[in-house]
Amino acid sequence: GAVVSQHPSWVICKSGTSVKIECRSLDFQATTMFWYRQFPKQSLMLMATSNEGSKATYEQGVEKDKFLINHASLTLSTLTVTSAHPEDSSFYICSAREGLAAIYEQYFGPGTRLTVT
Amino acid sequence: GESVGLHLPTLSVQEGDNSIINCAYSNSASDYFIWYKQESGKGPQFIIDIRSNMDKRQGQRVTVLLNKTVKHLSLQIAATQPGDSAVYFCAENIAGYSTLTFGKGTMLLVSP
Repeated sequence: GAVVSQHPSWVICKSGTSVKIECRSLDFQATTMFWYRQFPKQSLMLMATSNEGSKATYEQGVEKDKFLINHASLTLSTLTVTSAHPEDSSFYICSAREGLAAIYEQYFGPGTRLTVT
Repeated sequence: GESVGLHLPTLSVQEGDNSIINCAYSNSASDYFIWYKQESGKGPQFIIDIRSNMDKRQGQRVTVLLNKTVKHLSLQIAATQPGDSAVYFCAENIAGYSTLTFGKGTMLLVSP
C-alpha cells in the first residue's frame, strides 16, 4: 500500500522557537495533504488542507500565521510551528491523497510528537 | 465492560470475545464513513468503510453497521485478539468534500 512518512518522529524544542515537521509520500504523488493535531486521549482534529502549489486552507480556529504549511511538491508538505509554546505540545499527523483518489485512499503518516518545554 | 474516562471511552474484553464499538455522528449530510484503528504512537490505519446507501458491510473479522435514522455507526470485531488492542475512530465525510471528521474514539483493551 501507499506509504507516508513523517520526520522527525519526535522533537523537543524550547518555548519561543520554531520547529518544522515534514510529511512525505514515498510511492505516490500527493496532490492533497492534510495536517491533523491530536492531544492525548483525544481525537484527530483537522488543522488544514493543502493542495500542491496552492495556499493551505485552514480550519476555523487554527492560526495560519502560527502553523505555516508549505506544499511545494507532489511528495512533500511541511508544517512549521512558529514561536512554539507548551500548549502546542501535541501529536501532529499528516495524511496524503493522490489526485482524484477516493476518500478512503487517504494514507496517514506515523505522526510526530512535539514537546515544547 | 465499558467505562468512560475523562476523554476516551474504554472497552475491555477477553481474547476470543466479540467486540462492539459504537460511534454517533451528528451531521445528517455525511454519506460516507470509515473506521480507523490507531495503535499507540502511530497514525490511523484504515479498517473498513461504508456508504450511506448501505446498512451493513463485512470484512475479515469486522462488520460495520450503519443506522442513518439515529445517526449511529458500529464496528463489530469477531474473535477479538490482543493485537486488536488500540484506539478505534469512526470518521465521516460529506459528498463533494475531501475532508474527514473524526469521532471521539474508543480504546479497546483485549486481555489474554
